[in-house]
Amino acid sequence: NAGVTQTPKFQVLKTGQSMTLQCAQDMNHEYMSWYRQDPGMGLRLIHYSVGAGITDQGEVPNGYNVSRSTTEDFPLRLLSAAPSQTSVYFCASRTQMDGYTFGSGTRLTVV
Amino acid sequence: TQLLEQSPQFLSIQEGENLTVYCNSSSVFSSLQWYRQEPGEGPVLLVTVVTGGEVKKLKRLTFQFGDARKDSSLHITAAQPGDTGLYLCAGHLNDYKLSFGAGTTVTVRA
Repeated sequence: NAGVTQTPKFQVLKTGQSMTLQCAQDMNHEYMSWYRQDPGMGLRLIHYSVGAGITDQGEVPNGYNVSRSTTEDFPLRLLSAAPSQTSVYFCASRTQMDGYTFGSGTRLTVV
Repeated sequence: TQLLEQSPQFLSIQEGENLTVYCNSSSVFSSLQWYRQEPGEGPVLLVTVVTGGEVKKLKRLTFQFGDARKDSSLHITAAQPGDTGLYLCAGHLNDYKLSFGAGTTVTVRA
């Protein structure tokens, strides 16, 4: 049982490049979310999904897109990377009644 | 501004001492969770509290949810170096969104 798997673990992008952060869970969880973590600011919600085909915006959605075509996968797309998107990104999943299970994160640097 | 305010931001204590971390808000939460995060890893759920006034114990950790469901505290008795980490509180305003505090970095010196 792998839990929540995020790839890649590290990534360096140039300003203006696009990329997709991958997230997969094997626990059949309905709810999935993407958070970014910056020093002194805790975890801020980017986008979330309550089931396949359903997504919604969180606190800081600008510059990011998501899709949920299957229960297992919830990729996060950076459309045109900016230095302000330098952060550690966490994907998490849960059932309706439980707490989140987090992946180990993707550390992204935009230069 | 954070919906959930945690204090203190940093806490450094000697092994064997007790510590308390606070999580406060002006909003009412349907439930509140505490997570612990180690460097290079994602947060790990410690506890969920749901009922106002609820107290939960997890070995040397005691979690309390305020009567009005706006605040919570985490108390660690006889802290050990293995308790070192970033402690995060998080609250459900509704069923879908979980908002996090900025965290308290706890260092327990041997």
